[in-house]
Amino acid sequence: GAVVSQHPSRVICKSGTSVKIECRSLDFQATTMFWYRQFPKQSLMLMATSNEGSKATYEQGVEKDKFLINHASLTLSTLTVTSAHPEDSSFYICSARIYGTLNEQFFGPGTRLTVL
Amino acid sequence: DAKTTQPTSMDCAEGRAANLPCNHSTISGNEYVYWYRQIHSQGPQYIIHGLKNNETNEMASLIITEDRKSSTLILPHATLRDTAVYYCIVRVVSSSNTGKLIFGQGTTLQVKP
Repeated sequence: GAVVSQHPSRVICKSGTSVKIECRSLDFQATTMFWYRQFPKQSLMLMATSNEGSKATYEQGVEKDKFLINHASLTLSTLTVTSAHPEDSSFYICSARIYGTLNEQFFGPGTRLTVL
Repeated sequence: DAKTTQPTSMDCAEGRAANLPCNHSTISGNEYVYWYRQIHSQGPQYIIHGLKNNETNEMASLIITEDRKSSTLILPHATLRDTAVYYCIVRVVSSSNTGKLIFGQGTTLQVKP
């Protein structure tokens, strides 16, 4: 149980296009989901916290208009990288916290974005 | 949330116990200690967490010192598949916080044959 999936696992796009990444909790409901970004040889950096039915809370330095987050249901959150540029190339990882618990948080497998 | 300090890297022989230390000297009374690991190009995997008592599960044991200023994650019989970056994180768990996990640099554990 407690599986989080991400789609796509890998995407290559041209500079200037937008890319949508989906994060799903497959066997549990998640009121809160988190989006992280990880550059090569670096640690995970939290980008934003997404709560179902409300606006996401972005960490300092993360542009909310560039990284659009939608959390429309208890099992799905999406991250859209708008007008992507090569510097947005990174490993994007989501995590989800099980509804009704404070401790349980599980991570997706990540999405590798390459912007040409 | 309190900061943690971990060694950058460690080696361990296959089949031996791997002991990964973590210093969290500024931890407060309501902060838990969490351990996650990340195998290359995958999402982090939850290992174990604790408040003040030692904890054990099928993956590992967590030993927290009495003053709670440091802890050690123990993988009892390390295998090559345990090669990963191990993250020690402390955070408050309450109904009023968002529960976000802030990652440091972690310890890269290399298990060698």
